[in-house]
Amino acid sequence: ETGVTQTPRHLVMGMTNKKSLKCEQHLGHNAMYWYKQSAKKPLELMFVYNFKEQTENNSVPSRFSPECPNSSHLFLHLHTLQPEDSALYLCASSKDRANTGELFFGEGSRLTVL
Amino acid sequence: KQEVTQIPAALSVPEGENLVLNCSFTDSAIYNLQWFRQDPGKGLTSLLLIQSSQREQTSGRLNASLDKSSGRSTLYIAASQPGDSATYLCAVLPSGGSYIPTFGRGTSLIVHP
Repeated sequence: ETGVTQTPRHLVMGMTNKKSLKCEQHLGHNAMYWYKQSAKKPLELMFVYNFKEQTENNSVPSRFSPECPNSSHLFLHLHTLQPEDSALYLCASSKDRANTGELFFGEGSRLTVL
Repeated sequence: KQEVTQIPAALSVPEGENLVLNCSFTDSAIYNLQWFRQDPGKGLTSLLLIQSSQREQTSGRLNASLDKSSGRSTLYIAASQPGDSATYLCAVLPSGGSYIPTFGRGTSLIVHP
């Protein structure tokens, strides 16, 4: 148990569906991240939020829409995805630099787009 | 731009061996370096965190060292067990205020009985 919880753990959706992934942490962290991990590929940073403000968008297609309503919650809204978007989506959070900057990951949401 | 390389990419060893996994980085201006373990289809589990001012950290059979001047970190696994089979990743967080770590591609380890 890392303190970062992702739901759902598994999601199957069609290309015309709208769904959302949720990430929650109660570790008092201020930075939250979305990563994509496709089969046989390295981790790919998607978005970074710091104190609810988006600080990084790594050229992610607009069919992925992040939302960070507060420092404890992060969402990834999915709309009209493509089969190549099937991957493991990982959420992470970290402490600020007044602490160690240690990164904690959730268990991931396995997404399959049909 | 920071680049992180992990060698070897894959490793298969018999149970009981002592192992060394390598992580090298190109920019020595780092805030910390973190080692993770990832089991198939799961998230990343933090193993060890080394701050830039530290030289090593230990947890059980794991020991991680950091040499900033040469841009290297090693993860030493003593008396390997089949349960150690996983992918091991290192990540470097830069100094200077960025919150974005750079990850290596990982070392895939299989320890067979």
